[in-house]
Amino acid sequence: DAGITQSPRYKITETGRQVTLMCHQTWSHSYMFWYRQDLGHGLRLIYYSAAADITDKGEVPDGYVVSRSKTENFPLTLESATRSQTSVYFCASSHTAGTGGMDTQYFGPGTRLTVL
Amino acid sequence: SQQGEEDPQALSIQEGENATMNCSYKTSINNLQWYRQNSGRGLVHLILIRSNEREKHSGRLRVTLDTSKKSSSLLITASRAADTASYFCATVIQGAQKLVFGQGTRLTINP
Repeated sequence: DAGITQSPRYKITETGRQVTLMCHQTWSHSYMFWYRQDLGHGLRLIYYSAAADITDKGEVPDGYVVSRSKTENFPLTLESATRSQTSVYFCASSHTAGTGGMDTQYFGPGTRLTVL
Repeated sequence: SQQGEEDPQALSIQEGENATMNCSYKTSINNLQWYRQNSGRGLVHLILIRSNEREKHSGRLRVTLDTSKKSSSLLITASRAADTASYFCATVIQGAQKLVFGQGTRLTINP
């Protein structure tokens, strides 16, 4: 019963490099999300996906790319990493967004990314 | 600015006391959710309250929602050392398919 996993858990990279953070969930949830968490900003939504092949921008999408070819995977790519992208990244999934609004989100353990 | 704002930003109390955290938001919502985050971990869902509900309980947690004041409170009764964590409120804006998180309240329970 893996739930939602993220890899790697820790990553150090250099400015300008491409980095991909992986997220995998075993519940077949429709919705998946990527957040970044920084001191003083709380959690900010980067991108989200309502289903396979459907993605949409969140609050802070610049410099990031996502894809969702399979329901269970939602990778986040930093095309050319910058120091301002040093952060903790959380992936989350949710079953549905019905008439009562977005349901409970289940979070992965996070990836701590450092860009030198 | 954030849709949800928690107050206080930090709270330190003695074990056994009650802890109250507040959340204010700006626009109409479908529901409001509270999450807990232990240091270095992902967020864990605590409770969801819908816009047509006024109060909800879960164990030692009590959440209230006042849509006229656009505010919610989370009460943790009989606090324990294990309750030490950051607590976030998250709102689901009407018509949106995403949560908007506040910056959180850091709660410390002193033994």
